[in-house]
Order: sequence, then C-alpha cells, then structure tokens
Amino acid sequence: SQTIHQWPATLVQPVGSPLSLECTVEGTSNPNLYWYRQAAGRGLQLLFYSVGIGQISSEVPQNLSASRPQDRQFILSSKKLLLSDSGFYLCAWSLTRRGHGANVLTFGAGSRLTVL
Amino acid sequence: ILNVEQSPQSLHVQEGDSTNFTCSFPSSNFYALHWYRWETAKSPEALFVMTLNGDEKKKGRISATLNTKEGYSYLYIKGSQPEDSATYLCAFGPLYNQGGKLIFGQGTELSVKP
Repeated sequence: SQTIHQWPATLVQPVGSPLSLECTVEGTSNPNLYWYRQAAGRGLQLLFYSVGIGQISSEVPQNLSASRPQDRQFILSSKKLLLSDSGFYLCAWSLTRRGHGANVLTFGAGSRLTVL
Repeated sequence: ILNVEQSPQSLHVQEGDSTNFTCSFPSSNFYALHWYRWETAKSPEALFVMTLNGDEKKKGRISATLNTKEGYSYLYIKGSQPEDSATYLCAFGPLYNQGGKLIFGQGTELSVKP
C-alpha cells in the first residue's frame, strides 16, 4: 500500500531564516506531487505541483520554492522566511492521469510553521 | 481566476440532526468535483469524486450530489454524530489540467454536539 511521510510536523523559525520541508511517498511510482498551504482562516491554497523529477510548476508568486530531486521526494524551501509564510503546509500525491482533475489526493500529516 | 465557494463557513448541530453544505464552482471547463473530510489532528481524506452532471454518491450516512450545469454540489449528512465533526472541503478539478491539480474551497466546519 502507498504511504506518504511529511516532516517536520512542527517548527518555529525566526524571520529571515531558511526553511526545508520534506515529503516522501512510498509504494507508487511517478506520482503527481503537490504542496498546499492553509493560512489562518482560509482554505487550502495550491503552492506547487510536480508531474515528474525536476518538473515544478508554481501556482502563486511567493517567497517559497520547491524541488523534486527524486521520483518520490518533494521538498519545499525558502532562503529567507517572512512572517507571512506562517501556516499549515500539506504535501499530497495522486496517481498520474495527465490532463484531468479526477485524481484523488492523499495528504501527508502536515507541517505547522510559525515564523516569529 | 477560478473560485470555489463553500457555505456555510461553520455549522453547529445537535446529534441526530441532518445537515447539508453547498459548494459552488465554475460551470465551464469542469472535469471533476471532490469532497474531503478533514478531522482535527488528521490529514484530509477523500469522501467522493464526481464527474458527471446528476451524479450522486453515498457513503454510509453521507451523500453528495452534483450539478455541473449550474455549478454546485451538495453534501448531506443524515443523523449527524459527534464523530462527523470535521471541516468538509470541496475541490474543483478543471478540464485540460496538467498535473491533476485541484482548487479548494475554504471549507465548512461542522461541530456536532452530543
């Protein structure tokens, strides 16, 4: 069966510090991978998605970046965190069916980031 | 900009009450509509994925309907139980959608009191 791991679960970082959140998927090959963020009082906002190694699409301009160095590894990074980067970050994966939006998302446990 | 709206934002009901929520989405370029349940301290979990106008899905006491022509979906919970307390998210999957990305609504937070 497939599993998704996301870490760290919680972190508190000062403004201007770097960030690295990691997500790995097991039990499947060539998944679509996603990073979503839930800011306080808001829904899930898609930040990045990837359909393959090294292929990253950004949905919103921001202070964050994503990378996919391996097939089942997805990393969310920042060189210098801003206060507005605080929030709850969720990694997710889905099967690859290009061109459609019927793929069920399976989410990781999430990472709560507080920037002070 | 694709907008997905959910109402109400929050709902408080008594155990045994039946309830329903609404999700509004763009009726053009539609491919799929998803419902997820997000319990506190857990990950969102998929409830339903619907693609056809008039689709109805059911899982236990929870059911959902879909109207793609007018751009809305309803989620119904019959005889709410405390364990139904969660945030219910709908998500729109557009056509011609490389990567299968979804646009989420802001969710409806349901609280069921015993």
